[in-house]
Amino acid sequence: GAVVSQHPSWVICKSGTSVKIECRSLDFQATTMFWYRQFPKQSLMLMATSNEGSKATYEQGVEKDKFLINHASLTLSTLTVTSAHPEDSSFYICSAREGTGGNTEAFFGQGTRLTVV
Amino acid sequence: LAKTTQPISMDSYEGQEVNITCSHNNIATNDYITWYQQFPSQGPRFIIQGYKTKVTNEVASLFIPADRKSSTLSLPRVSLSDTAVYYCLVGDKRGKLIFGQGTELSVKP
Repeated sequence: GAVVSQHPSWVICKSGTSVKIECRSLDFQATTMFWYRQFPKQSLMLMATSNEGSKATYEQGVEKDKFLINHASLTLSTLTVTSAHPEDSSFYICSAREGTGGNTEAFFGQGTRLTVV
Repeated sequence: LAKTTQPISMDSYEGQEVNITCSHNNIATNDYITWYQQFPSQGPRFIIQGYKTKVTNEVASLFIPADRKSSTLSLPRVSLSDTAVYYCLVGDKRGKLIFGQGTELSVKP
């Protein structure tokens, strides 16, 4: 199947700093990418949907100024956690759908473990 | 978006067939049913997708009754490595994927 790669796999940052997480579709063009957050022992919570070349659509309760999403190309979307605090520590996962073809299966990255200290 | 309901957890033994049922009473005409598997600290992995009747691939089967208000994921002859959380998702092929609580499957020797 298609591959979605996230980088980094894990990151530790100091409180108040910003962290950028990259999500790349390696062998297909992703017109739509999704960002999720997952706390321990909980399900994935959708944060936002990003479409190439347009602004991301955030889910209710997700601060768009804190979680900046950029989908500048058909193979790359980035999530920047600005002014991170310990409560932002979580497992962040991206997902990508292929473009306009009949197969619109969603592929997931391996996730990024963020720890804010 | 159709909400899904699954058992929170299930136990099984190696070599047994495991059936996980998902309820989705409000499924819409354009909605497909997709199952994902997730291991700890990894992203979900696609298992199977279907619209109606039965779908089978190399790892699982998906049974969907005529009214489509539920579906059953069948894992034949599970092994220890099948211990994971299984999610049932319902939505159209281009929409966002909303995860429910999932079913934590524990396979014992």
